[in-house]
Amino acid sequence: AQTVTQSQPEMSVQEAETVTLSCTYDTSENNYYLFWYKQPPSRQMILVIRQEAYKQQNATENRFSVNFQKAAKSFSLKISDSQLGDTAMYFCAFTLNTGGFKTIFGAGTRLFVKA
Amino acid sequence: EPEVTQTPSHQVTQMGQEVILRCVPISNHLYFYWYRQILGQKVEFLVSFYNNEISEKSEIFDDQFSVERPDGSNFTLKIRSTKLEDSAMYFCASSVQIASREKLFFGSGTQLSVL
Repeated sequence: AQTVTQSQPEMSVQEAETVTLSCTYDTSENNYYLFWYKQPPSRQMILVIRQEAYKQQNATENRFSVNFQKAAKSFSLKISDSQLGDTAMYFCAFTLNTGGFKTIFGAGTRLFVKA
Repeated sequence: EPEVTQTPSHQVTQMGQEVILRCVPISNHLYFYWYRQILGQKVEFLVSFYNNEISEKSEIFDDQFSVERPDGSNFTLKIRSTKLEDSAMYFCASSVQIASREKLFFGSGTQLSVL
């Protein structure tokens, strides 16, 4: 069975600084996709970044980047130049490529960006 | 950007009653999903739907749950006899391709409260 673990229930960061959110996952499969979703207080789920497991290059989206370590099954999210609007719950998620209808989410990390 | 629309935003019901949660996925999307999030907990997969049939479901999605795409635009989740533990935020999502290939577009959720 696939699992996603986020070991940091809460984190805080000063505005304009950099923060890294951790995520590890477990699977015996080789082909899958990883995601980070953001859930602001409105509770809408918004995709932040996506990584294909077969790609060695780490995905980047503006201020958001990942550190994907396939052997270690680690997928951390780095937020640079943190902004107040980044305050949200962040979920790491995983989907198998084969029959990949189901996305499995971690328990989330609540991030507070302080002014 | 096109949106997934969910109605109602809040639903209060008595235990044992039937509820129908409604979703209008993005018009050119082919894959549809329901997820739920109990307050303070992780987002959990319930069911995926493709080509007018369930493609995958979780152990949560028991005989009390059903999904339907009655008219080509709406996608509904029915809970036949609600229980207290069904209280949660229910998210509808859709995607053009299978979930593993691209991001899910989530609706803003229906908060279900079972009294």
